[in-house]
Amino acid sequence: AQSVTQLGSHVSVSEGALVLLRCNYSSSVPPYLFWYVQYPNQGLQLLLKYTSAATLVKGINGFEAEFKKSETSFHLTKPSAHMSDAAEYFCAVSGAQGAQKLVFGQGTRLTINP
Amino acid sequence: EAGVAQSPRYKIIEKRQSVAFWCNPISGHATLYWYQQILGQGPKLLIQFQNNGVVDDSQLPKDRFSAERLKGVDSTLKIQPAKLEDSAVYLCASSLEGASRHEQYFGPGTRLTVT
Repeated sequence: AQSVTQLGSHVSVSEGALVLLRCNYSSSVPPYLFWYVQYPNQGLQLLLKYTSAATLVKGINGFEAEFKKSETSFHLTKPSAHMSDAAEYFCAVSGAQGAQKLVFGQGTRLTINP
Repeated sequence: EAGVAQSPRYKIIEKRQSVAFWCNPISGHATLYWYQQILGQGPKLLIQFQNNGVVDDSQLPKDRFSAERLKGVDSTLKIQPAKLEDSAVYLCASSLEGASRHEQYFGPGTRLTVT
């Protein structure tokens, strides 16, 4: 069984500040991990993914995430927030083998203050 | 490359009515998914197709929800009869087979309101 916990349903940062969105996972098999972003009234867009290669993963729009097996974490960071980063962010996990079912966290709404 | 297409974008119905959603995946994508996203929650998988066969429908409320994928391309999701708790965004996604199978591409979704 797999699950994802996103710590903080709302995160607010100032423009130019560090963005840190937290994600912890539980998986009985080697996981693949994902971060998706959802803008209002739109579908989900893949930001980045971990598929057992490098533990530090770089994605689009300046985001990156680090897979830490010992902490079962996959936190999303961006050094400097931009107003356009305001959106809902979802962490998701799937098994590396077999069916590719994605299990999503509850989401974190990121607000950027000018 | 065209993305995942869904229609309609918005639908308002009364409880006990029926409704259908349509999805056209990215060309060549063998796997198609339907997710339900209730307000304030992450998407939840309802059903997964591999070509036109069902891989996983364990979370599909089969007494009222049905889905089909004709000829392994387009798919429809139907609710009959609808309940108030079915109000949600219904997302369709698709993915390739092989090494890229874990990367899912999502459509814009259909927002359903049941009154």
